[in-house]
Amino acid sequence: AQSVSQHNHHVILSEAASLELGCNYSYGGTVNLFWYVQYPGQHLQLLLKYFSGDPLVKGIKGFEAEFIKSKFSFNLRKPSVQWSDTAEYFCAVNTPALKAAGNKLTFGGGTRVLVKP
Amino acid sequence: GAGVSQSPSNKVTEKGKDVELRCDPISGHTALYWYRQSLGQGLEFLIYFQGNSAPDKSGLPSDRFSAERTGGSVSTLTIQRTQQEDSAVYLCASSSRGQGAGEQYFGPGTRLTVT
Repeated sequence: AQSVSQHNHHVILSEAASLELGCNYSYGGTVNLFWYVQYPGQHLQLLLKYFSGDPLVKGIKGFEAEFIKSKFSFNLRKPSVQWSDTAEYFCAVNTPALKAAGNKLTFGGGTRVLVKP
Repeated sequence: GAGVSQSPSNKVTEKGKDVELRCDPISGHTALYWYRQSLGQGLEFLIYFQGNSAPDKSGLPSDRFSAERTGGSVSTLTIQRTQQEDSAVYLCASSSRGQGAGEQYFGPGTRLTVT
C-alpha cells in the first residue's frame, strides 16, 4: 500500500527564517503530489501540486516544492516565513495509474509549524 | 455553491447511537471523497464516489460505516452504533474529473464526539 512520511511532527522557528518540510512516499510508479495547509480554525487548502513537467513547483504564499523522483521526495520550502504561516502542513499523494487506488489521496502525518513573531 | 459545505459542524452523540453527516460538494464536481482526521491516525481515506460508478469503499473501517450519494450531488455518511474510537473530524472533499486528477477541495469538516 502507498505510504507517505513527513519527517518532522513539530517545527518551531522565528519570522524570516527559512522553512523546509520533508515528505517521502513509497510508490515507485507515476504519482501526483500535493501539499495542503490547515491554518488554525480553517479547513484544508491546497498550497501546491505536481503532476508532471518542471519538478520545481511554485505555489501560493511564496511556497515551493521540489519533486526528486530518485529520492521519492517532495519537500516543501519557503525562504522566509511569516507569523501567518503558522499552520499544519500535509503532504499527499495519489496514484492515478492504479485503477484500484483511483484518485484518493494518501496523506502524511502532518507537520505543525509554529512561527514566533 | 462557493465551496464544499458540511453539516453539522459539530456533533456530540452517545455511544451506541447512529449519526448522519452531510456533505454538499462544489456544484458540477463529479467526484466526492470522505476522509477522517483523528489524533494518532492522521488523515485517512474512507470512501470515494465518481459519477455513476460504484463507490470505492476500501477505506471504511467497519461495516458500521456506510455512505451514499444521491443524484450525483449531496452525500451522507452514516455511522451506526457509534463507538468512542469514532470520535474524529470527518472531512468531505470534491473534485472535477477534468481538473487534473486528485486536486480536491475540502469542506470545513464535522467534528464528531462520541461520549
